[in-house]
Amino acid sequence: DAGVTQSPTHLIKTRGQHVTLRCSPISGHKSVSWYQQVLGQGPQFIFQYYEKEERGRGNFPDRFSARQFPNYSSELNVNALLLGDSALYLCASSFGHYSNQPQHFGDGTRLSIL
Amino acid sequence: AQTVTQSQPEMSVQEAETVTLSCTYDTSESNYYLFWYKQPPSRQMILVIRQEAYKQQNATENRFSVNFQKAAKSFSLKISDSQLGDTAMYFCASHTGTASKLTFGTGTRLQVTL
Repeated sequence: DAGVTQSPTHLIKTRGQHVTLRCSPISGHKSVSWYQQVLGQGPQFIFQYYEKEERGRGNFPDRFSARQFPNYSSELNVNALLLGDSALYLCASSFGHYSNQPQHFGDGTRLSIL
Repeated sequence: AQTVTQSQPEMSVQEAETVTLSCTYDTSESNYYLFWYKQPPSRQMILVIRQEAYKQQNATENRFSVNFQKAAKSFSLKISDSQLGDTAMYFCASHTGTASKLTFGTGTRLQVTL
């Protein structure tokens, strides 16, 4: 079975632009979470979606938004990009949204802002 | 709020030896889960082991085991018979509540040498 897939793998943007990152969860998983990992740090929680509804949001500005589609895939959108948005963006999926269900991560999208 | 602290930025161990990575956490929740994730240079976050807080028995997965001290809020990872493939960043994480939010520590870079 395919794992969590993310696209693109690497993206270069300039300040002020917007970006859309995509994630396909493991088949059967209904929950998708997004994390930002700045170089040298642990991942920071951005969003969690379950059954197409937002179930959690981290401490990120409104420039960050996300949505989940009927097939449970998800998009993360970031507007008005800043240099500080340069990071590895990780997507994780799980069957449900409870804490006892382990999350499985994709390989991430490396976003570089020039 | 949850916090996870990893006080060892880097560690080194010789092949076939045993190494212990430290982690402390803080949470006001009574039911929570703790995880160790491994992130090799390929950057995919891989689940190594998890511990349910209400279980007193320490979790074990092959060469990986934890020492869970609930009162001290300590959750260390022991890697036995270290292998070169264990070289990676190791992140300790906690997970509480119904939102799929993992709170990560800052990581420990483990280098396994010949």
